[in-house]
Amino acid sequence: EAGVAQSPRYKIIEKRQSVAFWCNPISGHATLYWYQQILGQGPKLLIQFQNNGVVDDSQLPKDRFSAERLKGVDSTLKIQPAKLEDSAVYLCASSDSAGGMGSNQPQHFGDGTRLSIL
Amino acid sequence: LAKTTQPISMDSYEGQEVNITCSHNNIATNDYITWYQQFPSQGPRFIIQGYKTKVTNEVASLFIPADRKSSTLSLPRVSLSDTAVYYCLVGHNAGNMLTFGGGTRLMVKP
Repeated sequence: EAGVAQSPRYKIIEKRQSVAFWCNPISGHATLYWYQQILGQGPKLLIQFQNNGVVDDSQLPKDRFSAERLKGVDSTLKIQPAKLEDSAVYLCASSDSAGGMGSNQPQHFGDGTRLSIL
Repeated sequence: LAKTTQPISMDSYEGQEVNITCSHNNIATNDYITWYQQFPSQGPRFIIQGYKTKVTNEVASLFIPADRKSSTLSLPRVSLSDTAVYYCLVGHNAGNMLTFGGGTRLMVKP
C-alpha cells in the first residue's frame, strides 16, 4: 500500500512569513495526526483528526497554527506568521480506526517537511 | 497522561541482543505500549505493540510485566542498520493525547 505522502520535503522562509504543509494519509485511514519534531527531541503531537473532526488540538499554538481536513482525507497545516522557534520537522501520520474506542492502531508516518526559519 | 522514561543512549555491537527498557508508571488501563524506530530524515516506523505479557514479531520482542509499569524492547542479533532512535509510546488513539518521550539513541558498532 502507498504510504503517507507529505509535501514539500523542505521549506525555507523568513520569520513572519506564512507557510503551509500538505499531507495525504494512507487510503482508508480515518485518523490523521500532525506532529512537530524539533532537532534532538521526540515528536510532539499538534493536532489529531478523526475523519474531518478535531479530536485533540490542545498543544496546537492556535494564535499562529491552523490545520484542516475538510473532506476527511488529505490535510493542510499552516503557520502564520512563522517564528524562529517554529524551525522543526513537521510529521504527518495516519492510522486505521477500525478498532474503535480504546483500541490502538499503529500510526504510519510520512517522512516530514523540514522547515527552516531565517 | 502517561509519561515515559527511557535511557538517552545505548551502545552495542553487531550480533548482540539489545534490550531497551521504558518506564511508564502511570499507564492507564486502556493504554497500549508501542515502540517506533526512527532513522535520520525519516518519520518514525512502527516496530511492535503490546498490552500485556509478551509479544513477538519478525523483528523484535516486547516484554511487559504484570503491573505494566515498564516494558522492554528486545532486538535480537542487531546489525549496523539497527542504529537509530527508538521511541516508547504509551496511550491509545481514541481521543487520548499521544506523547513521545526523548527516545533512546542506539548505536551499533562493528
